[in-house]
Amino acid sequence: AQSVTQLGSHVSVSEGALVLLRCNYSSSVPPYLFWYVQYPNQGLQLLLKYTTGATLVKGINGFEAEFKKSETSFHLTKPSAHMSDAAEYFCAVSFTGGGNKLTFGTGTQLKVEL
Amino acid sequence: DAGVIQSPRHEVTEMGQEVTLRCKPISGHDYLFWYRQTMMRGLELLIYFNNNVPIDDSGMPEDRFSAKMPNASFSTLKIQPSEPRDSAVYFCASSFEGRSYNEQFFGPGTRLTVL
Repeated sequence: AQSVTQLGSHVSVSEGALVLLRCNYSSSVPPYLFWYVQYPNQGLQLLLKYTTGATLVKGINGFEAEFKKSETSFHLTKPSAHMSDAAEYFCAVSFTGGGNKLTFGTGTQLKVEL
Repeated sequence: DAGVIQSPRHEVTEMGQEVTLRCKPISGHDYLFWYRQTMMRGLELLIYFNNNVPIDDSGMPEDRFSAKMPNASFSTLKIQPSEPRDSAVYFCASSFEGRSYNEQFFGPGTRLTVL
């Protein structure tokens, strides 16, 4: 069975500071990994995804994530936070043959302060 | 493409009334998912379809909830009778089995308030 753990339901950073949102997964087969962002009163939007190949994945809005198999992690980072990054972020996992089903983490609310 | 379309965007109803939420997936997508999001329970998968056939409805909370997908371009989620604890944001998402690696595209959601 697959699972996703997001450490920290709330993260607060200062504008211009590094953003680090943590995600660890459990999967018995090679996973596909995703980060979604949800802005207030909107649906979830894909930030980036890891499928195969290069383990450092770049997404929209300056975010990137690195797949580390040995650590079963897929942490999301951004070098410099902007006020517009305030949102909820979800990590998700799936795998081939999984029926296109995603298993989501519980989400991390990112707050960006001046 | 217009993306996943959901209607209505907001619904306010009274306890005991029937509620129908609607979803139009992205053209060509063969999977459709219904989710519910609340502060207490987070994002929950209710049911999903493949090629209009329900595959897993284990997340449907009670018999009061039902979902249909009569064709590839339309799905409904019905609650009858509705209760205040059904108040939540309901999302529809679609995906394409192929090169998308299971990426799901979400609609804007329907905010349901049951008084």
